[in-house]
Amino acid sequence: GENVEQHPSTLSVQEGDSAVIKCTYSDSASNYFPWYKQELGKGPQLIIDIRSNVGEKKDQRIAVTLNKTAKHFSLHITETQPEDSAVYFCAASRGGTSYGKLTFGQGTILTVHP
Amino acid sequence: GAVVSQHPSRVICKSGTSVKIECRSLDFQATTMFWYRQFPKQSLMLMATSNEGSKATYEQGVEKDKFLINHASLTLSTLTVTSAHPEDSSFYICSARDVAGPNYGYTFGSGTRLTVV
Repeated sequence: GENVEQHPSTLSVQEGDSAVIKCTYSDSASNYFPWYKQELGKGPQLIIDIRSNVGEKKDQRIAVTLNKTAKHFSLHITETQPEDSAVYFCAASRGGTSYGKLTFGQGTILTVHP
Repeated sequence: GAVVSQHPSRVICKSGTSVKIECRSLDFQATTMFWYRQFPKQSLMLMATSNEGSKATYEQGVEKDKFLINHASLTLSTLTVTSAHPEDSSFYICSARDVAGPNYGYTFGSGTRLTVV
């Protein structure tokens, strides 16, 4: 089955700095790679995603890059703000298939200091 | 956008009793639903996958007789934790999927904090 590794487990930055979180996956058939933000006591919320036919995607301060050959993808947050502090999870799936369950990384606790 | 409603948000039950958690897709038909368990400071671990009208598929190590899943309709799935014990205390999260929706349609509920005393 799919295995997703996520690093770092914790990340502390100053407000305005950039934050980068990296994930690797094992299943070459995975084709959908979402990133979720989870606040304490809440369910995960999708912040950005990418499909395997695209190398990069950007949405304002958030971007995701995918290297399908190396099987890794990264989340980039620029101009970080204190409200970006949360736990971030990457995930992978064979999104288009009926089987397509999500496999999550271990999570990264991001702390943005004012 | 797609919304998944999960209830209750918190529940405390006595050891040995059963607890039912509901997951509803409010504005779309969920052909597939997923149930996750999350322990403190850990990732989401998939417990089972269910497709409407068929039995749930449980992940390895998850007791199907203890965690009963019923995908009753295209908008409702329930998870019943039977004979709950303190070690079942966890954060349970459902996800409903509309394969015809954008982003492959994964939408998560807000989670249920189960505490067994």
